[in-house]
Amino acid sequence: DVKVTQSSRYLVKRTGEKVFLECVQDMDHENMFWYRQDPGLGLRLIYFSYDVKMKEKGDIPEGYSVSREKKERFSLILESASTNQTSMYLCASSLGSTGSNEQYFGPGTRLTVT
Amino acid sequence: AQSVTQLDSQVPVFEEAPVELRCNYSSSVSVYLFWYVQYPNQGLQLLLKYLSGSTLVKGINGFEAEFNKSQTSFHLRKPSVHISDTAEYFCAVSGLAGGTSYGKLTFGQGTILTVHP
Repeated sequence: DVKVTQSSRYLVKRTGEKVFLECVQDMDHENMFWYRQDPGLGLRLIYFSYDVKMKEKGDIPEGYSVSREKKERFSLILESASTNQTSMYLCASSLGSTGSNEQYFGPGTRLTVT
Repeated sequence: AQSVTQLDSQVPVFEEAPVELRCNYSSSVSVYLFWYVQYPNQGLQLLLKYLSGSTLVKGINGFEAEFNKSQTSFHLRKPSVHISDTAEYFCAVSGLAGGTSYGKLTFGQGTILTVHP
């Protein structure tokens, strides 16, 4: 069974803290994605990676960075957490470059920044 | 650039009634189209997708969707819903523009389907 796992289901951090969200996939997928999900806004792409050490900005990269040192692991970093980064964060992975393959999602991390 | 509009933020229906969740998209290139479902406290999972060929596609759990190129729509339908279909549904598009797509998706805002007994 294919699987995408995220390091935490719930996380509470203070303003200004550095926050790491980790995602691991066991499907040998080239592509990995980080989204944030907010009510009424759907999913918005923060960053994605199509290969080890490769990354591209999505639609809302400000305030975030990513790291992909191994194919199976993709980390999202909030350099200095702010209250407007309180959200649900979803990781996904997919195979290939054509766009026809589905994305597989992790269960999400609900981050609260106080 | 691509965009997706889900025309209804919430759809309440009674059990065993039919339902249609509406999705319109805009894109300057040909697209692949997807519907995903998110059950409470879970990640998203694929319901169905349109890549090419027949405009009527069937997915899991009795759902189907019809691609209408002239109206740039991809509406999701089910003839008879169950309580267990209560979830949030997302329409998404992936462009065929070129090699840097890497399967990036543009999502709609989501439609919350609530099935009442």
